[in-house]
Amino acid sequence: DVKVTQSSRYLVKRTGEKVFLECVQDMDHENMFWYRQDPGLGLRLIYFSYDVKMKEKGDIPEGYSVSREKKERFSLILESASTNQTSMYLCASSLLFGTKETQYFGPGTRLLVL
Amino acid sequence: AQSVSQHNHHVILSEAASLELGCNYSYGGTVNLFWYVQYPGQHLQLLLKYFSLDPLVKGIKGFEAEFIKSKFSFNLRKPSVQWSDTAEYFCAVNSGTYKYIFGTGTRLKVLA
Repeated sequence: DVKVTQSSRYLVKRTGEKVFLECVQDMDHENMFWYRQDPGLGLRLIYFSYDVKMKEKGDIPEGYSVSREKKERFSLILESASTNQTSMYLCASSLLFGTKETQYFGPGTRLLVL
Repeated sequence: AQSVSQHNHHVILSEAASLELGCNYSYGGTVNLFWYVQYPGQHLQLLLKYFSLDPLVKGIKGFEAEFIKSKFSFNLRKPSVQWSDTAEYFCAVNSGTYKYIFGTGTRLKVLA
């Protein structure tokens, strides 16, 4: 079974703090994704990575950056957290070839920015 | 721009009722279509996916979906829902890039 784990289930941070969200997958998947999930808005793609050190912006990259130094690990960084970044953050992974590929999701990190 | 519409935001059904959740997408080319489900407190997980010639797709737990290309639709169905089907359901589309476009989700509540 593919396993995608996220470092925290719940986080509370203050405005202006630098926040790191970590994601690890154990199935040697090339693709990794960060989404945020908000009620009524579904899942929106923040960033995508298709290989180590490679990244692509998604639909809402502003205020975020990412790091992929190892194939199994994909980090989302909030450089200076703001209250409008309060959300559920989901990490996902998939195999590289073929857009038929299923995405496997982590449990999510619920972030509250005060 | 590609988009996915799920018109039912909240659905409440009694057990044994039939279910149909709508999903429409906007893209004229070849697409791969997915339904994901998120049970309360659990990971988002795949329910079923379409990528072959057969427009009727069977998924887990008795769910199925029909791809109607002329209507740009991929509706999810289940003949008889159970209380355990209470969850949020997301339709998603991929058109040949790394991007998966998700709908806004439908929250289903099944009354015992």
